[in-house]
Amino acid sequence: DAKTTQPPSMDCAEGRAANLPCNHSTISGNEYVYWYRQIHSQGPQYIIHGLKNNETNEMASLIITEDRKSSTLILPHATLRDTAVYYCIVRVAGGTSYGKLTFGQGTILTVHP
Amino acid sequence: NAGVTQTPKFRVLKTGQSMTLLCAQDMNHEYMYWYRQDPGMGLRLIHYSVGEGTTAKGEVPDGYNVSRLKKQNFLLGLESAAPSQTSVYFCASSPNYPYRNEQFFGPGTRLTVL
Repeated sequence: DAKTTQPPSMDCAEGRAANLPCNHSTISGNEYVYWYRQIHSQGPQYIIHGLKNNETNEMASLIITEDRKSSTLILPHATLRDTAVYYCIVRVAGGTSYGKLTFGQGTILTVHP
Repeated sequence: NAGVTQTPKFRVLKTGQSMTLLCAQDMNHEYMYWYRQDPGMGLRLIHYSVGEGTTAKGEVPDGYNVSRLKKQNFLLGLESAAPSQTSVYFCASSPNYPYRNEQFFGPGTRLTVL
């Protein structure tokens, strides 16, 4: 699975959009980009994933660059409850390694009042 | 629908003691996983299962054993606990969708080995 690079921490004002970047320059054509978050002391929570098209769901939007070497997770209107560690994970879907996630250090997002 | 539950929530062991952590899911998922998370670090995969009666080693399997006798349950055993196994243990499950791999996590078990 491709290695990812994320900034260790970011701040955001409540009500503003939070844009969390992730670099995955060695991503392969069959690898997806997944985002999870972990609120303090809780189990990780799935947010969104995508292959090459931009994706949106009720929680967030995922923007993947055309060359797929980087992506951005967007929380459109951040709230205090969005304060968490956000993990960007790149992995192949399917095959013998399906399901296994490799978590890096992630980005600590702090949302301020 | 409780999702993924873990038992117990907290446990303190002495070195050399044994224990079993229980994970249960009611979503009829095929895949189940055990991770550990040490302070300030990301999760690391211990063992996983792709179906009832099957298990496989993950990234850090030493010192742990697992069993999946029923589809809904995944047990993690420590035969002889060591202080290095002090950690938070998370169980997860996911459906058998080829292009989803969305994992659902339990609340965690906080284990301290003295």
